[in-house]
Amino acid sequence: GENVEQHPSTLSVQEGDSAVIKCTYSDSASNYFPWYKQELGKGPQLIIDIRSNVGEKKDQRIAVTLNKTAKHFSLHITETQPEDSAVYFCAAVESGGSYIPTFGRGTSLIVHP
Amino acid sequence: DADVTQTPRNRITKTGKRIMLECSQTKGHDRMYWYRQDPGLGLRLIYYSFDVKDINKGEISDGYSVSRQAQAKFSLSLESAIPNQTALYFCATSDFRQGQETQYFGPGTRLLVL
Repeated sequence: GENVEQHPSTLSVQEGDSAVIKCTYSDSASNYFPWYKQELGKGPQLIIDIRSNVGEKKDQRIAVTLNKTAKHFSLHITETQPEDSAVYFCAAVESGGSYIPTFGRGTSLIVHP
Repeated sequence: DADVTQTPRNRITKTGKRIMLECSQTKGHDRMYWYRQDPGLGLRLIYYSFDVKDINKGEISDGYSVSRQAQAKFSLSLESAIPNQTALYFCATSDFRQGQETQYFGPGTRLLVL
């Protein structure tokens, strides 16, 4: 089965700095890679995703990159703000297969004002 | 997301008790899931259901059972609760018929087993 490793487990940055969270996956059949943000007291919510036919995707201050050959993908947040503080989960999905995501263990991002 | 609701939001119970966590959705999605979240372990899949007559075990189903009473309702039961089932539980839905992979999570149920 799929295995997703996520690093770091905790990331502390100053407001305005950039933050990068990295994930690796093991199953080459995985072709869809979503990122979820979990704010305190809430359930995770999709913030950005990328498919295997794309190398990079941006949405305002967040971007995701994918290296299929190396089987890793990353979330980049620029100009971090205190409201970016949350737990972030990456996931790998075999779209066209079971559609069941395998999640990473999560990264707790803390943005200090 | 108010479209996926979970009850109760918090629950304290004792070892050996049977408890049920309930999930309802108004999104009209066919697929529903139960996850467990523990610090440092991420989201682990307990059970999932592709439709009313389909139930599948996930990664950590031992000690749990589920019931899909209707398309909109998916319940998780702990037949005899034990302390290591203390965790945050999430229900989620997805719309497979539209080929959508996005999962929509409820607000979670925090369970403490004493």
